[in-house]
Amino acid sequence: RKEVEQDPGPFNVPEGATVAFNCTYSNSASQSFFWYRQDCRKEPKLLMSVYSSGNEDGRFTAQLNRASQYISLLIRDSKLSDSATYLCVVCNTGTASKLTFGTGTRLQVTL
Amino acid sequence: DAGVIQSPRHEVTEMGQEVTLRCKPISGHDYLFWYRQTMMRGLELLIYFNNNVPIDDSGMPEDRFSAKMPNASFSTLKIQPSEPRDSAVYFCASSLGGGADNEQFFGPGTRLTVL
Repeated sequence: RKEVEQDPGPFNVPEGATVAFNCTYSNSASQSFFWYRQDCRKEPKLLMSVYSSGNEDGRFTAQLNRASQYISLLIRDSKLSDSATYLCVVCNTGTASKLTFGTGTRLQVTL
Repeated sequence: DAGVIQSPRHEVTEMGQEVTLRCKPISGHDYLFWYRQTMMRGLELLIYFNNNVPIDDSGMPEDRFSAKMPNASFSTLKIQPSEPRDSAVYFCASSLGGGADNEQFFGPGTRLTVL
């Protein structure tokens, strides 16, 4: 079983729609969680960290459910520019700086 | 300010040849990471350095892969001999410190094709 699992998609949604991605992780000792965004043929970039209490950044909301070991990302009012691959990332305490990436969920926002 | 710089951006080589990928981290960053990305396996950490010292190379696939960091502003990842299954995008990243609260900044990647 992969340490971080995501639905590869693609998710095809119209502009203005709300879309949600989930991600599950297998290591219950994982302590830190992130969403990265990767545009086609570009490098990954940090989108946001994920906290147990949930956090919001504009149209983006991230949540963590430790009991079920899953992480979610909600995008409201989708824009064409949101089209990208979203990578779920976990970091385990004691393995400083070692990030484990999911294979990503592809989002395509259309007119 | 310049971000992480990688060269070459694209490399096409034949099986059995030596390949050297280069990375210049962001100035002042103490950590440097090498990743490999493929469609099947996603982004995988190969090795990382702290203050030019390799800390964890458990992700290096086999002895054909080696990495060095001779100084704070330069690192290389070498594959010798290269094989078609090494074809992937190789990313270098750097961060100001260790720990999950230090954002890793990625370079543009080197797209390697081994024929």
